[in-house]
Amino acid sequence: AIQLTQSPSSLSASVGDRVTITCRASQGISSALAWYQQKPGKAPKLLIYDASSLESGVPSRFSGSGSGTDFTLTISSLQPEDFATYYCQQFNSYLRTLTFGGGTKVEIK
Amino acid sequence: QVQLVESGGGVVQPGGSLRLSCAASGFTFSSYGMHWVRQAPGKGLEWVAFIRYDGSNKYYADSVKGRFTISRDNSKNTLYLQMNSLRAEDTAVYYCAKDLTGANWFDPWGQGTLVTVSS
Repeated sequence: AIQLTQSPSSLSASVGDRVTITCRASQGISSALAWYQQKPGKAPKLLIYDASSLESGVPSRFSGSGSGTDFTLTISSLQPEDFATYYCQQFNSYLRTLTFGGGTKVEIK
Repeated sequence: QVQLVESGGGVVQPGGSLRLSCAASGFTFSSYGMHWVRQAPGKGLEWVAFIRYDGSNKYYADSVKGRFTISRDNSKNTLYLQMNSLRAEDTAVYYCAKDLTGANWFDPWGQGTLVTVSS
C-alpha cells in the first residue's frame, strides 16, 4: 500500500505568516493528491484536489503543488480561521485504495 | 445545498453489529459515488469504503474487508454501512462523504456519527 508522510506533524505560526506543509508518497502517484482542513469537532473540508486545483469557495491564499512523490500545501498569509489540522490524501486507481497522511496541526504562536 | 446526515451510531459490544445510514439531499444522489471515512478519537482519518453511483462496484480498506458492507438505496437517497464482527479498534466517528465527480476526493462530508465498541 502507498504510504503518505506529512511533515511537520505540528507547527506554531503567527497570523500573516507563510506556512508550508509537505506530504511525501512512498511511491509515485502522479498528481492524484488532495488536501483537507479539519477544525476541532468538525468534519474535514476539501481545499485542494489533483495536487494543485483549488476547490470552489476556498480562499486563494491556499495553494498546492507537486507531482510524483513530493507535494506541498502553502498558506500564503495565515489567517485566524486557518488554525486547524491539515491532511493530505491519495487515490491509487490500480490498487483501488485511498490513504491519508498523518496530519499536520497548525497552532497559534 | 448538499447535505449529508449520518445516523445509527452508538455503543456496541465486541463481536456485535451495527448499521449506519447517511441521508443525502441537495444533489442527484444516484449520479455520485459515495464513501465512508472514519476517525478514531484523537487520531487521523482512515478511508473505509466506496460504492459506485449505481452500486455496481465497491471497494474496502483491508482493515474492514469481510466484516463491513457498503450499500445504497438510490430511491431513498441513502447510503449504508453494515458493520459486523466489530472490534474495539473500530471505535471512531464515521463520516459519509460524496465523491467529487468520480475522482475519489471527498466533498462534502457529513457531520459524522460516533461508534463505540466496548464491553
